[in-house]
Amino acid sequence: DVKVTQSSRYLVKRTGEKVFLECVQDMDHENMFWYRQDPGLGLRLIYFSYDVKMKEKGDIPEGYSVSREKKERFSLILESASTNQTSMYLCASSPTEGTEAFFGQGTRLTVV
Amino acid sequence: GQSLEQPSEVTAVEGAIVQINCTYQTSGFYGLSWYQQHDGGAPTFLSYNALDGLEETGRFSSFLSRSDSYGYLLLQELQMKDSASYFCAVSSGGYNKLIFGAGTRLAVHP
Repeated sequence: DVKVTQSSRYLVKRTGEKVFLECVQDMDHENMFWYRQDPGLGLRLIYFSYDVKMKEKGDIPEGYSVSREKKERFSLILESASTNQTSMYLCASSPTEGTEAFFGQGTRLTVV
Repeated sequence: GQSLEQPSEVTAVEGAIVQINCTYQTSGFYGLSWYQQHDGGAPTFLSYNALDGLEETGRFSSFLSRSDSYGYLLLQELQMKDSASYFCAVSSGGYNKLIFGAGTRLAVHP
């Protein structure tokens, strides 16, 4: 059974903290994605990685960075968390030539 | 840039047919896909269209017109469990980057 695993389901952090969200996939997919989901705004792409150490900015990269040192792992970093980064964060993976993306269960991050 | 438009809400009754439209603007278009998300759950894949025409998977069908930058998801014989949010998404660029629309919330009533 294919699996995308996000390290935390719920997370509470303080303003100004550095936050790491981790995502691991076991399908040997080339592509990995980080989205944030807010009511009425759908899934907005933060960053996209198409290979190890390769990344591309999405629509809302400001305040975020990513790391992909191994094919199976894609990390989202909030350099200095702010309250407007309170959101649901979803990780996904897909093969380069594939048609289907697989999602993790999401991390609900609250910044206080 | 890329953008997708879909209705924010649709309401229908059990057993009916509903169509959710999606228009898009993107460069390097590869295909249009549809995802379902129940409250509290993760999005799950429903269908993908790379070529013009209709793709049928059980009660769900998806249509694409590349010349019109338009597609739709057709849900037949609606059931209460179909109440969920539905997202269209475009695959584009050299590596199949996936961009989503804002989603359509479908409410199915008895």
